[in-house]
Amino acid sequence: DQQVKQNSPSLSVQEGRISILNCDYTNSMFDYFLWYKKYPAEGPTFLISISSIKDKNEDGRFTVFLNKSAKHLSLHIVPSQPGDSAVYFCAAQAGGTSYGKLTFGQGTILTVHP
Amino acid sequence: NAGVTQTPKFQVLKTGQSMTLQCAQDMNHNSMYWYRQDPGMGLRLIYYSASEGTTDKGEVPNGYNVSRLNKREFSLRLESAAPSQTSVYFCASPKYSGSSVPGELFFGEGSRLTVL
Repeated sequence: DQQVKQNSPSLSVQEGRISILNCDYTNSMFDYFLWYKKYPAEGPTFLISISSIKDKNEDGRFTVFLNKSAKHLSLHIVPSQPGDSAVYFCAAQAGGTSYGKLTFGQGTILTVHP
Repeated sequence: NAGVTQTPKFQVLKTGQSMTLQCAQDMNHNSMYWYRQDPGMGLRLIYYSASEGTTDKGEVPNGYNVSRLNKREFSLRLESAAPSQTSVYFCASPKYSGSSVPGELFFGEGSRLTVL
């Protein structure tokens, strides 16, 4: 049972436009959500996170939105740059003693064309 | 450079062979984690260690054993490798001690394992 799902395996956007990556979850115990970015032959790197008590968090070009009632979160990248081309993983954590025990989505391959 | 170091980076095994993946972190953190990444599955937690001397199963522990040798090192052992264990393995540790961002992990570069 996939508790965190990224239903779009890939996304292609033009440089300068907005990239929107989506993620759905089923476990109501998740209270922290994160996005990781991964380049080929490297480990994932943390990008941005959001607590379940918030509905939006911004960090420069990156914004994460959380809709708890719909169990849905999204990552917006504005403006998109070619260097943003990577695999993006959504991840969730149940908190408390679950620190670091993340449940990941399948990933979305983002390609930003110059 | 501070971080998480994994060895080896690549390994090819035959079914039934054994091997150990090594992981070391120099950030002096208590907890360490082993994940595997498979196409279409994302990353899945195999085992974790909350502190030196303790280990616990994650989501997919079958076929693996771990050892938390000391605070720095956390190894993952495949006693009898199977083709289903062909994967990329990542070791991780919290990025900051007492991080205010739960789940923010620093990952190693990965170990690509192929079992024939």
